[in-house]
Amino acid sequence: DIQMTQSPSSLSASVGDRVTITCRASQGISNSLAWYQQKPGKAPKLLLYAASRLESGVPSRFSGSGSGTDYTLTISSLQPEDFATYYCQQYYSTLLTFGGGTKVEIK
Amino acid sequence: EVQLVESGGGVVRPGGSLRLSCAASGFTFDDYGMSWVRQAPGKGLEWVSGINWNGGSTGYADSVKGRFTISRDNAKNSLYLQMNSLRAEDTALYHCASHSGSYYGYGMDVWGQGTTVTVSS
Repeated sequence: DIQMTQSPSSLSASVGDRVTITCRASQGISNSLAWYQQKPGKAPKLLLYAASRLESGVPSRFSGSGSGTDYTLTISSLQPEDFATYYCQQYYSTLLTFGGGTKVEIK
Repeated sequence: EVQLVESGGGVVRPGGSLRLSCAASGFTFDDYGMSWVRQAPGKGLEWVSGINWNGGSTGYADSVKGRFTISRDNAKNSLYLQMNSLRAEDTALYHCASHSGSYYGYGMDVWGQGTTVTVSS
């Protein structure tokens, strides 16, 4: 199985901050990566796919980058509605795997 | 409105069985791959199983292989998960989700709210 390691597992930030979350795969995944946002009591929401393609309706302050094994989700200016848990997920393998999640909290 | 609604969860004893269902509406169900994803209380997301548009290809997480079976009925716009030999560690909220392509090897862009499975004696 491909293991996905996210860091950090949690972070505290203020409104307006630039936030970066990293996801590392145990082997190359050729940009076959999605990012999700989950708020308490809600289903996950797809933010980006193919590592850097923004899902329709997602604000442009969210962006993704990376290649090979290392990928990044960036929120350029954190908004109050962005406080949530974020997950990466690879779909390069037929055994899909998620990262452990990054909880973004208010400082 | 695009919607996925899960049902069939409940409380079951270890070793027991349950069948989850997911009813899809608002989109062309048989164009898309589907998956089940679970989340144990206070934990992260875990992909459980996926199926392609016509049921011809399926995949399972190692933790459920041999115990769970995914299937779909495109005539009924429905996805299923047959869960046998249930264990305490299968306790979770189970979501169904549709992929943005015909195979389950894409991002998941539509999610249901989930159905809760509790395995306890």
